[in-house]
Amino acid sequence: DQQVKQNSPSLSVQEGRISILNCDYTNSMFDYFLWYKKYPAEGPTFLISISSIKDKNEDGRFTVFLNKSAKHLSLHIVPSQPGDSAVYFCAASKASGAGSYQLTFGKGTKLSVIP
Amino acid sequence: AAGVIQSPRHLIKEKRETATLKCYPIPRHDTVYWYQQGPGQDPQFLISFYEKMQSDKGSIPDRFSAQQFSDYHSELNMSSLELGDSALYFCASSLAAGGTDTQYFGPGTRLTVL
Repeated sequence: DQQVKQNSPSLSVQEGRISILNCDYTNSMFDYFLWYKKYPAEGPTFLISISSIKDKNEDGRFTVFLNKSAKHLSLHIVPSQPGDSAVYFCAASKASGAGSYQLTFGKGTKLSVIP
Repeated sequence: AAGVIQSPRHLIKEKRETATLKCYPIPRHDTVYWYQQGPGQDPQFLISFYEKMQSDKGSIPDRFSAQQFSDYHSELNMSSLELGDSALYFCASSLAAGGTDTQYFGPGTRLTVL
């Protein structure tokens, strides 16, 4: 079963507008959430994260919101730029061994920012 | 800033051959993870090491093994390769003592099994 879900496989947004990417999770043991950006044939690049004890984290144009009761998080990109076009993965983390925090990924959302 | 290094970047093997993938974590990172990403799929956790000891195991076939060495680099050994092993293999590293779970990924090794 998919414990981390990104229900929108793709999203198109006009340059300068807001991009909102959504993610839902089912496992209450997840305590840390991350967003990664990925270009084809490259490794995921860390964007922003949020601990389960917070409901918002902001870094420049990127803001992540967490609603624990709804088991939902979202990534807001404002303003969107053409260089933001990529696949965005939501990932959730839980302690899984000594010093190890296994990541569970969603299927990704392909964002296209139209100039 | 130094990033995670993976080698080789591309690897082509025949069925039933063996392959070794290498990962060099970010300096001072103490935890290494391996993930497999099939075509059109999300990355799937394989195995992790903390301070040179296996820490956790995911959906890693018995034909695969891995270890972390004294210099913290890690190798993923894959034997009796099958067509289905063709995928992108990512290594990630983190600093467990850093108080966050942020993993930083390498560029990946694309393995093609013919």
